Amino acid sequence: ETGVTQTPRHLVMGMTNKKSLKCEQHLGHNAMYWYKQSAKKPLELMFVYNFKEQTENNSVPSRFSPECPNSSHLFLHLHTLQPEDSALYLCASSLGLASDSGANVLTFGAGSRLTVL
Amino acid sequence: QKEVEQNSGPLSVPEGAIASLNCTYSDRVSQSFFWYRQYSGKSPELIMSIYSNGDKEDGRFTAQLNKASQYVSLLIRDSQPSDSATYLCAVAFYNQGGKLIFGQGTELSVKP
Repeated sequence: ETGVTQTPRHLVMGMTNKKSLKCEQHLGHNAMYWYKQSAKKPLELMFVYNFKEQTENNSVPSRFSPECPNSSHLFLHLHTLQPEDSALYLCASSLGLASDSGANVLTFGAGSRLTVL
Repeated sequence: QKEVEQNSGPLSVPEGAIASLNCTYSDRVSQSFFWYRQYSGKSPELIMSIYSNGDKEDGRFTAQLNKASQYVSLLIRDSQPSDSATYLCAVAFYNQGGKLIFGQGTELSVKP
């Protein structure tokens, strides 16, 4: 496989469920990201990991719990979500975080469409 | 003030025309600028990146950057129906560790 792969592509869960989203990149990148995309709103950065260390938590509620076991894998653990959390969750990766060398150019996965009932 | 602003559209142009997409940003100290295209139901894909003032051309696409006026634009020449998508502007701000901040996107519709 190449690029950034996200599973599952679609997920429906109740507010009391616990589920996880998975992201895997085969690009040799060192930074991985979770973004949330809701209708008619800008992409919202949630978390950033660089060399598997978290460098950014953009005031995300604790019902979203990220995990980055290595530079190639990123998870988003979900529990007791709310209906307003329904959105497209996009994983992305980049070579690094430096913005003056193009290392921060993002490659996105196909996304996981989450519906919370 | 929003950090990255775009008109949400929709912007409608006839096939063969030039589509002009604009983006303004709030911080003069910005280092890199990107245009992503997102088809309905798909993930964003990179079209262009630009780092210095002036124009950068790639095929039918031209990115224009003016740091003094804090805007970046994307021109699409000879627009095709297949160009119909939402175009996302993203800016990496120097004081935010290089992470990309996105605008809300401009929906472009190219009519045959």
